[in-house]
Amino acid sequence: GENVEQHPSTLSVQEGDSAVIKCTYSDSASNYFPWYKQELGKRPQLIIDIRSNVGEKKDQRIAVTLNKTAKHFSLHITETQPEDSAVYFCAASRGGSYIPTFGRGTSLIVHP
Amino acid sequence: DTEVTQTPKHLVMGMTNKKSLKCEQHMGHRAMYWYKQKAKKPPELMFVYSYEKLSINESVPSRFSPECPNSSLLNLHLHALQPEDSALYLCASSQSGDERFFGSGTQLSVL
Repeated sequence: GENVEQHPSTLSVQEGDSAVIKCTYSDSASNYFPWYKQELGKRPQLIIDIRSNVGEKKDQRIAVTLNKTAKHFSLHITETQPEDSAVYFCAASRGGSYIPTFGRGTSLIVHP
Repeated sequence: DTEVTQTPKHLVMGMTNKKSLKCEQHMGHRAMYWYKQKAKKPPELMFVYSYEKLSINESVPSRFSPECPNSSLLNLHLHALQPEDSALYLCASSQSGDERFFGSGTQLSVL
């Protein structure tokens, strides 16, 4: 089955800095890579996703990059704000009815 | 309506109680899921319903019993739980199988 490794487990940055969270996956057939943000006491929410036919996707201050050869993908957050503080989970799946495998999560703390 | 609604938000139960969690979505999604989540850990899949039929049971103990009365509703019946079952129980739905729409969850405490 799929195995997803996520690093770091905790990331502390100053407001305005950039933050990068990295994930690696093992199943070369995986083609869908979502990122979820979960604020304390709230539901996980999809913030960005990427499919294996593209290498990068951006949405305002958030971007995701994918390296299929190396089987890793990363979340980049620029100009971080205190409201970016949350746990971020990456996931990988073959898409469709296949069940995504989640990474263990990264707790991002943005200090004002 | 683009939400998945879960009730109750909080539940405290004894080990001999029987209770039920409820989940509702009106987005016409064909798949619905139950996840269990411990603090600061990723959600763990428990059950998958596809077109109202149970398609995946991730070896969940029989003290958890899912039910899908119709395409919009998903229940999770709880009986004789253990303290280690205390967790956040999340319901989710999906149309394509990719993006998951999560509910706010039920925070369950078993005493």
